[in-house]
Amino acid sequence: EVQLVESGGGLVQSGGSLRLSCAASGFTFSSSWMTWVRQAPGKGLEWAANINPDGSEGYYVDSLKGRFTISRDNAKNSVYLQMNSLRVEDTAVYYCARDRAYGALDYWGQGTLVTVSS
Amino acid sequence: QSALTQPPSASGSPGQSVTISCTGTSNDVGAYNYVSWFQQHPGKAPKLIIYEVSKRPSGVPDRFFGSKSGNTASLTVSGLQADDEADYYCISFQARFGGGTKLTVL
Repeated sequence: EVQLVESGGGLVQSGGSLRLSCAASGFTFSSSWMTWVRQAPGKGLEWAANINPDGSEGYYVDSLKGRFTISRDNAKNSVYLQMNSLRVEDTAVYYCARDRAYGALDYWGQGTLVTVSS
Repeated sequence: QSALTQPPSASGSPGQSVTISCTGTSNDVGAYNYVSWFQQHPGKAPKLIIYEVSKRPSGVPDRFFGSKSGNTASLTVSGLQADDEADYYCISFQARFGGGTKLTVL
C-alpha cells in the first residue's frame, strides 16, 4: 500500500522557520520525482517545489525561491521542505506528492497545516 | 508564472454530462500532451483522475474523459453522480495549476 505521511507543520511567527517532512512507502521512492503542493485556506492548489530522484536538482515557484529549500534522503524514503523567512501568505496546507511524469501527481499525503502569524 | 484558466463553477443534474475547460498557451497546454486533472473533495487530498490529457489511472471510472484542442484541455464528466461534486484542477507539464472549478451536482 502506498503511503505518504507529512509532518512538521504548526504555528510559527512571521520571519520564522519550519521544516516539513514526508515519509514515503509502498513505491520505489529513489526513482521518483517528488513534489510539494500547497493550498491556502479556501484557495486553490499551488505547485510549490519539486526534486529529482537523486536530489541533485530542485525547482521552485518564483515566490518561494531563496526562502524554501527542498531536499530528500533516499535512504530514509523521505523528502523535506525547509521553509525560512516565513510570511503570513505562506499559511496553507502543504501536501507532498509523487510525480509519475510531467505533473501527473499520482500519490498524495494527507497534508500538514502551516500557520504563520503576524 | 500565470495559472491556467478554468471556470470557477460548473453544474449539472444527476445523469447529465458536464465539461470543464482549462486554457493555457502554446507554451504549456498547447505544447505537449502533458495535462493532468485532479478531483478534490472538501478536507481531502487531491486525487489524480486524468493524466497525459486523456489517460485514466487504475480505478478511475470511464465516466471521466479528458481531451485537448489547441491551448485548451477539457475534462468531461458523464453520468453525473452525487459524489462527483468536488473541486477539479488541471495542471500542465510546466507545473502550473488551474484556478480550480467547483462542480455542483444539482
